[in-house]
Amino acid sequence: IQMTQSPSTLSASVGDRVTITCRASETVKKWLAWYQQKPGKAPKLLIYEASTLESGVPSRFTGNGSGTEFTLTINSLRPDDFASYHCQQYYGFSTFGQGTKVEIK
Amino acid sequence: EGQLLESGGGVVQPGQSLRLSCAASGFNFGSYAMTWVRQAPGKGLESVATISSLGSKANYADSVKGRFTISRDNSKNTLYLQIDNLSADDTAVYYCARDSYGSQLLSPFDPWGQGTLVSVSS
Repeated sequence: IQMTQSPSTLSASVGDRVTITCRASETVKKWLAWYQQKPGKAPKLLIYEASTLESGVPSRFTGNGSGTEFTLTINSLRPDDFASYHCQQYYGFSTFGQGTKVEIK
Repeated sequence: EGQLLESGGGVVQPGQSLRLSCAASGFNFGSYAMTWVRQAPGKGLESVATISSLGSKANYADSVKGRFTISRDNSKNTLYLQIDNLSADDTAVYYCARDSYGSQLLSPFDPWGQGTLVSVSS
């Protein structure tokens, strides 16, 4: 199952609302996760089952979607949120999108 | 919560082999499926191999089938990845990760180790 994220890079300012899209080549139902990754660090799980927030993750992160189209929205971007974000499907053997870098405008 | 610590990476020549290790602590290792994920420089994440909690079942990405072997020793709380016939395309940071749903093979990953760099160069 191929995962396609858009955009590849997103320029935004502190306080902005940003949305990242992830599309699957076939249905993955609700079996989708989102990760945040900072340079030189391992990915961190943010959301699983498309919309369930991992414990300790701020509520400004929201996941939506099912089937083949999913979104990750970050409300009121904070300095700590500038990072790369990856979607992952686990309906079949796990595959990831190519990642989205959220950079400072 | 659990911690994972990879080791075994380094600079190797094309055609050589390497075995990566991942030491687990802080959780019941034998109750969880485990996965290796790699990330080439400046690229996205790629799951390469997953193994069931008891080690009886393993799945591989098509890109590594026949060259990578995942295994585990639950008595030592350690996960392994044997990589044979290395090529430049295998250059990446290799992460081990716990399948967060437990013994189920299809799962999000949490936590992750810090990664170990494998660099293939002549």
